Amino acid sequence: AQSVSQHNHHVILSEAASLELGCNYSYGGTVNLFWYVQYPGQHLQLLLKYFSGDPLVKGIKGFEAEFIKSKFSFNLRKPSVQWSDTAEYFCAVNAQGGNQFYFGTGTSLTVIP
Amino acid sequence: GAVVSQHPSWVICKSGTSVKIECRSLDFQATTMFWYRQFPKQSLMLMATSNEGSKATYEQGVEKDKFLINHASLTLSTLTVTSAHPEDSSFYICSARVPGFSPYEQYFGPGTRLTVT
Repeated sequence: AQSVSQHNHHVILSEAASLELGCNYSYGGTVNLFWYVQYPGQHLQLLLKYFSGDPLVKGIKGFEAEFIKSKFSFNLRKPSVQWSDTAEYFCAVNAQGGNQFYFGTGTSLTVIP
Repeated sequence: GAVVSQHPSWVICKSGTSVKIECRSLDFQATTMFWYRQFPKQSLMLMATSNEGSKATYEQGVEKDKFLINHASLTLSTLTVTSAHPEDSSFYICSARVPGFSPYEQYFGPGTRLTVT
């Protein structure tokens, strides 16, 4: 079975600070990787995704993530956070060819103005 | 973009009763939908995969007789929590895969908060 770990449960940053949220997964096969964001009171929204190719992927709102296959990691980064980035962030994994998505436990990000 | 809706957005029911939650794809046909459960401050737990015209596939540990899933049309999947108990109180979220788009993306509904008293 697949599992996804997010080691940072709650992160507090000041505006303009840099962000890196960790995500590790366990699965021996080929995977698709995703980061979703859930703003307070809103739906889950896709931030970015990795299927194949360049392991550094860029998403919306200045976010990017790097897939490091040897480390089974897909960390999310943003060079300068804004107050509006305050939200819950979820990493998700899907085995290629499979239907199911598996989510990490989420990281709550609070950005202080 | 692809829009998924859920109804109701919140429901309160008495212990022992059943409650139905609807998940609709508004601007596309979804052959596959997914049902998740989210506890406060926790992640989404996949409950089942709903396939149009066939039986749902349940994840290990999910009681299929308690959480009845029906995917009768290409735009509607329903989750019925039967004989609900307070421990069933949770946030239930559905999602759908979008045909014609990247096959591995899912679009999520806004969720339904169920409170069983």
